Amino acid sequence: KNEVEQSPQNLTAQEGEFITINCSYSVGISALHWLQQHPGGGIVSLFMLSSGKKKHGRLIATINIQEKHSSLHITASHPRDSAVYICAVMNRDDKIIFGKGTRLHILP
Amino acid sequence: DAGITQSPRHKVTETGTPVTLRCHQTENHRYMYWYRQDPGHGLRLIHYSYGVKDTDKGEVSDGYSVSRSKTEDFLLTLESATSSQTSVYFCAISELSSGNTIYFGEGSWLTVV
Repeated sequence: KNEVEQSPQNLTAQEGEFITINCSYSVGISALHWLQQHPGGGIVSLFMLSSGKKKHGRLIATINIQEKHSSLHITASHPRDSAVYICAVMNRDDKIIFGKGTRLHILP
Repeated sequence: DAGITQSPRHKVTETGTPVTLRCHQTENHRYMYWYRQDPGHGLRLIHYSYGVKDTDKGEVSDGYSVSRSKTEDFLLTLESATSSQTSVYFCAISELSSGNTIYFGEGSWLTVV
């Protein structure tokens, strides 16, 4: 079993829809990251969380430490949000463990 | 943007030849990582470093070696490249004092023929 599991693996939605991507992990962590990777492109960090909730524009990330679960929400989704979203955790040994990513496709 | 660059960005090499990928940072971050990204596997850790001359293996370290003689440079070497090492390689940096934010290089596309 992977230490970081994301769901769904693939998601197609219409422009304007509210999007939720989930991440569950099974190890002790010091931080959780949400990353975005556009096709053929680099990887950028969207959020780093150790507790609670963060918001940046239309993106919201939450984490529940007790349940070892995090969610990434996108409000009023847009075709430019189409990308792979990756959940990553930093464990107690300072190693970063990645989920396999969620491929999001927003249709105009 | 964080100052992190990878070189080369694209390389085609023959099986059995040595290959070195370089990751250079200008952020003075302590932690540096090398990952490979393959379809169906996501990002997998090859090796990482927590300081000059301090390195450790990741989950897919076989066939790879690393060196970090300076804070700013982390080298990944394939001693004898194989076709299974065809992949996209990403370098990343992180620092506790920056809140553990992770910064990635733009990737190095390696094809072993």
